[in-house]
Amino acid sequence: QVQLVESGGGVVQPGRSLRLSCAASGFTFSNYDMHWVRQAPGKGLEWVALILFDGRSEYYADSVKGRFTISRDNSKNTLYLQMNSLRADDTAVYYCARVLGGGVWAFDIWGQGTMVTVSS
Amino acid sequence: EIVMTQSPATLSVSPGERATLSCRASQSVSSNLAWYQQKPGQAPRLLIYGASTRATGIPARFSGSGSGTEFTLTISSLQSEDFAVYYCQQYNSWPYTFGQGTELEIK
Repeated sequence: QVQLVESGGGVVQPGRSLRLSCAASGFTFSNYDMHWVRQAPGKGLEWVALILFDGRSEYYADSVKGRFTISRDNSKNTLYLQMNSLRADDTAVYYCARVLGGGVWAFDIWGQGTMVTVSS
Repeated sequence: EIVMTQSPATLSVSPGERATLSCRASQSVSSNLAWYQQKPGQAPRLLIYGASTRATGIPARFSGSGSGTEFTLTISSLQSEDFAVYYCQQYNSWPYTFGQGTELEIK
């Protein structure tokens, strides 16, 4: 079945780095734009980053621009989020999400999320 | 950045009754609006896209309406599994933005 599975979360000190992965299965990963969305504890959803299906373009929220890098390996059906210079306000559950497609950019498939805690 | 504002923050409704949730955009997003449902400890689930089109597998009791800056999600007869937090999201322009959510609770 169509599935996204995140991994790589954990507890990290402020200023350090972490890389998240999102493994896709059940669909042709290389055909879809992919996003990262995060949710701080008890808060709402915040869009983080987008990468187009072919990896040629990326977009970022202002809050992470210059610190986070989204990438993908279509040969491995995997999406990544490299997070550098982490801050306490980056603490959140991070979800990867697939775009519905067909000219509709809503997110139809979500992973279960991976928790990132930035704390000394 | 387009600001999405949802109201009310919390809505108390009895099972079997109708629930109406609102979402307002700070500028027009055309019909590029989605609604998501999120239950505790779970990822969001897409309910509605294009302001009014139900996603695959979504029951007919969920309906969306509106365009431009004013949108509504209606749940016609609440079931126990519908009590959750609902988010609207615009995907008309970067950055894509979400509303702060409406918590639908059992009255």
